[in-house]
This record gives sequence, C-alpha cells and structure tokens, in this order.
Amino acid sequence: ETGVTQSPTHLIKTRGQQVTLRCSSQSGHNTVSWYQQALGQGPQFIFQYYREEENGRGNFPPRFSGLQFPNYSSELNVNALELDDSALYLCASSLSRWGDSPLHFGNGTRLTVT
Amino acid sequence: AQKVTQAQTEISVVEKEDVTLDCVYETRDTTYYLFWYKQPPSGELVFLIRRNSFDEQNEISGRYSWNFQKSTSSFNFTITASQVVDSAVYFCALSEAGNTGKLIFGQGTTLQVKP
Repeated sequence: ETGVTQSPTHLIKTRGQQVTLRCSSQSGHNTVSWYQQALGQGPQFIFQYYREEENGRGNFPPRFSGLQFPNYSSELNVNALELDDSALYLCASSLSRWGDSPLHFGNGTRLTVT
Repeated sequence: AQKVTQAQTEISVVEKEDVTLDCVYETRDTTYYLFWYKQPPSGELVFLIRRNSFDEQNEISGRYSWNFQKSTSSFNFTITASQVVDSAVYFCALSEAGNTGKLIFGQGTTLQVKP
C-alpha cells in the first residue's frame, strides 16, 4: 500500500512569485486535504477536495487554490507569495470527507519565501 | 466555536518514566471525533488514535493509553515507560461529524525523552 507522497520536499521562492505543490493520495482514498503548519504551531486547514471539487475551506485568501485530479492526486497553488506563507505544507488523504476517518499525512513540503 | 487546547508546550522526562499529555476541547456538536497524532522530526503526522463522542471507553495500545472524559471535555494521552523513540511533537485534534472533515489541531506538546 502506497502512502501519501508530496513533492517537492523543499522549495525557496521570492515574494510575489507563484508556487505549485503536489500530492499523491494513499491508494483507495478519494478525499484530499491541505494544511499549513507554521513553525511551532499546529496545522491549519486550508481546504479539502472530494471528487475533484472543493468540499470545504479554511480562513485562507483566494490566492490559495487547489485541484484534485481523477486519480485523486492533488495540487496546491499559491499566488503572489508573501513572507508569511513560509511554512510546512501538509497534504492528507482519507477514506471519508465527513471527519470520521483518520487523515493520513505526507511528509510535507517546506516552503520558504524570501 | 471549535477549539483544542494543549496547555503543555514542552515536557521533558527521563526514559522509563510515565508521562501524560493533556488535551481539552470545545465544541457545540454532540457528534464529533477526537484524534491524536505524532509528529517526529521528519515532519510527517502519524495517526495514533480516533475516538468518537459516543464512546467514552478508555483505550490501551501497548504502552499508549487514552482517557476520554466528556464531562471535562478532555482526551488525555499517557505513555507508560517512555522511550527515547517517543520524542516528538504530539497533537490532539477535533473534527465535527457531517462537516468537511476539517481537523482543528491544538498547538502541540513537544515531548523529549532523555536516556
């Protein structure tokens, strides 16, 4: 069974640039969520995708957008990067979109914005 | 509003000591789920346990045990005979049934187990 994989592992971008982070979900999981984890903090929910549609969103501006593909893999796009976007971005997949199923997380992408 | 509080920022123990990590939650829903995750230095969040709001039975898994008390809105996690490999950041999290599956995480407790 393949777990959740994310790419790239690390990324350095300049303020104002755009970035795309990628995630392959665990086999059999149809729901993908993205979280932002600032240093020393708990993860914060960005959004969830189910069957290629956004199924819920946290308190993040529209410059954070996503996609889910037919094979359930996903992308997180961030436009007009700001210094505060520097964080660990975690992708998680699950069997259910309703909150009753554990999330299985990838190792994350460490984004640094300079 | 949903909220999870982990009041202990950092805990340091010596190997073989028992340690309890506290978690207090707030929710208006009657149906909800509580989780504990472990985050080692590698960054990946590792799922440890899920509890639903209708099941207050405590659970033991090897050296790990969990105490769920709805009366005090707490879901505490105890590691018995701690080991160096238990060193990590531990997160308690809450989700409300029928919602988007969004997890509300606490701030995390950093556990350091010294040899």
